[in-house]
Amino acid sequence: GAGVSQSPSNKVTEKGKDVELRCDPISGHTALYWYRQSLGQGLEFLIYFQGNSAPDKSGLPSDRFSAERTGGSVSTLTIQRTQQEDSAVYLCASSLGTGSNEQYFGPGTRLTVT
Amino acid sequence: KQEVTQIPAALSVPEGENLVLNCSFTDSAIYNLQWFRQDPGKGLTSLLLIQSSQREQTSGRLNASLDKSSGRSTLYIAASQPGDSATYLCAVWSGNQFYFGTGTSLTVIP
Repeated sequence: GAGVSQSPSNKVTEKGKDVELRCDPISGHTALYWYRQSLGQGLEFLIYFQGNSAPDKSGLPSDRFSAERTGGSVSTLTIQRTQQEDSAVYLCASSLGTGSNEQYFGPGTRLTVT
Repeated sequence: KQEVTQIPAALSVPEGENLVLNCSFTDSAIYNLQWFRQDPGKGLTSLLLIQSSQREQTSGRLNASLDKSSGRSTLYIAASQPGDSATYLCAVWSGNQFYFGTGTSLTVIP
């Protein structure tokens, strides 16, 4: 079946603009996760959803970052007033349940802020 | 705060060798540990998931062990092949967040 998909695959934006990144999880997966991987850095956990609910938003780097999930499926990660330090690969993953099940990752969105 | 460390950061071995990758974590209150591989420019692929109540998991040439009390996990790769070349990441689930190590970059030389 189809895996996790993310769009766009690449995004170049000017500093100060808003961007929206999209994640389509595997059908039937109730848990969805967002990560950020900066050049030469490890994966940074941002937020997860169980259904449409995000129990803990403390991993988001700043209040410019927000995420939502509707219908227990598609999720969007929005970055407002982008900064150069936001440049990274943003990865999305999904799993059958929260935490205790294997995660399946999408190919990521490479964001470059100029 | 949980910290996950992977040693070594990079490893180069000739084809056919058996090898061990190490992962350590500072807080033993984890629900599970998962090993992934990441190929250049691609997302992550799950290799093995070990629940906190388990000691090891095996899949083909891969064997992962977990010693929760000492905060350690190892990934054993038998009879390495050039196709095993990738970055290997471990991650622990704390109940509300995943913590990833910085990875071990493995190169298997034909």
